[in-house]
Amino acid sequence: SAVISQKPSRDICQRGTSLTIQCQVDSQVTMMFWYRQQPGQSLTLIATANQGSEATYESGFVIDKFPISRPNLTFSTLTVSNMSPEDSSIYLCSVETSLYEQYFGPGTRLTVT
Amino acid sequence: DAKTTQPPSMDCAEGRAANLPCNHSTISGNEYVYWYRQIHSQGPQYIIHGLKNNETNEMASLIITEDRKSSTLILPHATLRDTAVYYCIVGEGGKLIFGQGTELSVKP
Repeated sequence: SAVISQKPSRDICQRGTSLTIQCQVDSQVTMMFWYRQQPGQSLTLIATANQGSEATYESGFVIDKFPISRPNLTFSTLTVSNMSPEDSSIYLCSVETSLYEQYFGPGTRLTVT
Repeated sequence: DAKTTQPPSMDCAEGRAANLPCNHSTISGNEYVYWYRQIHSQGPQYIIHGLKNNETNEMASLIITEDRKSSTLILPHATLRDTAVYYCIVGEGGKLIFGQGTELSVKP
């Protein structure tokens, strides 16, 4: 298993600004993932972040808008840049501890005004 | 796009078995079936996975048809705390592609 924490848990930001979300896991993991969950919707994968390599982004997501860092095997950050109200969502990180299980963080609830 | 189809919502009486169906007719031979659930305002939680055989753990049972084109998640004795959105996902590990899931309401 894995215990994941995210900071901040929630934030209210003004349009045009940026927010960096931190994801910390209590054990070393190779694969980390970032998801977005818009209000009332399912989860959408933003990118896969492996330590020691550039993040791999899904269709519709670009590095300039969602830069990701993965400095070590227990930590990652996701930045939401130049925010607009459409970026209001819950952002979740997850880690893969085996081929079969992913553990998710509690999420960061972002509101852009 | 998600490779699975699930009913958008289901109700279940407390203490009864909840049977959640999932269609995955385009599943390939190497892909597993995973089930996760998301209780309101929490991150998704892994429930169970399977490849070909039926599987059971402390949370649920997973029944996969012989042709692997559909599966059913069974919560044997549903409680109010099982009220959540249940996601059926197929894949080979790594990234998870979530569909819309089934919103299960367990009623007293």
